[in-house]
Amino acid sequence: GENVEQHPSTLSVQEGDSAVIKCTYSDSASNYFPWYKQELGKRPQLIIDIRSNVGEKKDQRIAVTLNKTAKHFSLHITETQPEDSAVYFCAASILTRSGGGADGLTFGKGTHLIIQP
Amino acid sequence: KAGVTQTPRYLIKTRGQQVTLSCSPISGHRSVSWYQQTPGQGLQFLFEYFSETQRNKGNFPGRFSGRQFSNSRSEMNVSTLELGDSALYLCASSLAGTPSSYNEQFFGPGTRLTVL
Repeated sequence: GENVEQHPSTLSVQEGDSAVIKCTYSDSASNYFPWYKQELGKRPQLIIDIRSNVGEKKDQRIAVTLNKTAKHFSLHITETQPEDSAVYFCAASILTRSGGGADGLTFGKGTHLIIQP
Repeated sequence: KAGVTQTPRYLIKTRGQQVTLSCSPISGHRSVSWYQQTPGQGLQFLFEYFSETQRNKGNFPGRFSGRQFSNSRSEMNVSTLELGDSALYLCASSLAGTPSSYNEQFFGPGTRLTVL
């Protein structure tokens, strides 16, 4: 089955600096890569996702890049703010060809992002 | 539109007992997935139901089972509870109806299960 490795497990950056979280996956058939943010005591929330037919996607201060050849993808957060402090999870999945839906998401172990004031 | 809801929010059981957790998806969502979250193993996929059928299954023992009703509500059952089953159980719903597409999974608040 799919295996997703995520690094680092903890990342501390100064407010205003950039943060980068990296993930690798093992199954070359995976073609959907979402990123979730989970604040303490709250549910995971999707912040950005990318499909394998795209190399990069941006949404304001957040961007995700995908390298299919190397089987890795990264989350980039620029101009970090205190509210960015949370645990971030990457995930990988295979979109089904018919009927919609997908195989279950395989998650990385998470990165605790700490924004220092 | 109301979000995904899960009941109960907290549950304490003893080893050997069984437990049933409930998940109500967002109205119109047909797919419900279940995940187990623990500090050591992170988020792990249990199974996914779509139109009352289990469509995908993760790598968990048969003590973990589920079902989905015609209104898309889903239940998850764990029999013969073990200490290691203590975790936050999250369900997520999505539209999941368009071929070759994937719809965002919306998570519920989770059920915190403690096994003593």
